[in-house]
Amino acid sequence: GAVVSQHPSWVICKSGTSVKIECRSLDFQATTMFWYRQFPKQSLMLMATSNEGSKATYEQGVEKDKFLINHASLTLSTLTVTSAHPEDSSFYICSARAEGGQANSPLHFGNGTRLTVT
Amino acid sequence: GQNIDQPTEMTATEGAIVQINCTYQTSGFNGLFWYQQHAGEAPTFLSYNVLDGLEEKGRFSSFLSRSKGYSYLLLKELQMKDSASYLCAVRDGTGRRALTFGSGTRLQVQP
Repeated sequence: GAVVSQHPSWVICKSGTSVKIECRSLDFQATTMFWYRQFPKQSLMLMATSNEGSKATYEQGVEKDKFLINHASLTLSTLTVTSAHPEDSSFYICSARAEGGQANSPLHFGNGTRLTVT
Repeated sequence: GQNIDQPTEMTATEGAIVQINCTYQTSGFNGLFWYQQHAGEAPTFLSYNVLDGLEEKGRFSSFLSRSKGYSYLLLKELQMKDSASYLCAVRDGTGRRALTFGSGTRLQVQP
């Protein structure tokens, strides 16, 4: 089945530093990947849609200059949290759907990255 | 806007049957998904409905009524490992392929 790999699984960083999270589709191509964020005991909130070869589309309220997204190939998207602050501490999850898949093909999720900013 | 509602928490007994409801109001409709998520892990796909009716997959079944904006996930023969959050997600009719998730239902299965 379709596999999405996300790295790192967890990261602790100091306030003011930047953190890069990678999302790879291992056995399929994805021109579009989605980045979600999940705070404790809350549901997944879509942050942005990552488009291969073009600019990402950000959801309302998500700062594009703070959450930099790069989708340079059909199998890799990266999310960089710049100048991280403690309120950015969250569970970040990427997802993708195989291109050419049927309408009922689900989103496949990476294992998530737990970011803690101290 | 989009609105997806689920109960926050449910408790059930091992071996029993539990039904988790989901109601939605979206800009168009292009399918409803159910995911299971254990604490600290990514969601895993359970089922998909786009037409009215019941879809059965082993111990899990999902039902959809588009006219009512309503779905439920039915879990039979509950096992302790079924303790998890269950997320209802909708793909709207705008052509955007992302899913909008409900807040999730935390199910606790007791012995």
